[in-house]
Amino acid sequence: EVQVVESGGGLVQPGGSLRVSCAASGFSVSTSQMNWVRQAPGKGLEWVSLIYIDGTTYYADSVKGRFTISRHNSMNTLDLQMNNLRVEDTALYYCARQRPGYGLNSWGQGTLVTVSS
Amino acid sequence: IQMTQSPSSLSASIGDRVTITCRASQSVTKYLNWYQQKPGQPPKLLIEAASSLQSGVPSRFSGSGSGTDFSLTISSLQPEDLATYYCQQSYSSPLTFGPGTKVDIK
Repeated sequence: EVQVVESGGGLVQPGGSLRVSCAASGFSVSTSQMNWVRQAPGKGLEWVSLIYIDGTTYYADSVKGRFTISRHNSMNTLDLQMNNLRVEDTALYYCARQRPGYGLNSWGQGTLVTVSS
Repeated sequence: IQMTQSPSSLSASIGDRVTITCRASQSVTKYLNWYQQKPGQPPKLLIEAASSLQSGVPSRFSGSGSGTDFSLTISSLQPEDLATYYCQQSYSSPLTFGPGTKVDIK
């Protein structure tokens, strides 16, 4: 069964750093296109970042230069390193697998990141 | 690529036909996907590539369109369809979602 489970969320002060992770099972992250999507409380979905099978990465303008997506093939995990966090980064962060060019077909339950002083 | 949806919310009766529209700021050819998000749950992929229904999704859901204009139709609204529906383009990065359409049961 294909499954992804996010972890690592928590409370962090503005300007701080946090790394959230996604553990995959039933498939390999090294041969999948993987995304991070976030949802602020009571708001809509915002795409954050993706990593292609060839390792190419893309970021939303709102996080470019502050967030880094990476994968760890031996552990079959996906990470999102978040630096210089802002209050507006507060959200539930979802990991999602994507068939290249198509929809995000496997989602986790998300991990909550709260940026507050 | 910017995505817009209309309406932003709607209220309909059980059995009604419901249509949600999505527009892209430039052509995304067929690479338009629809998601359903129920309260407290992660999004679920309903339709990809504009009209391809995901396995296990009820046949009352259908999608159509190409280029810049798309629609999601629920042919006969059911109580379990209470949710917010999002469109998303996967034609080019950065990927973008529409703002969502909240569907309530009257």
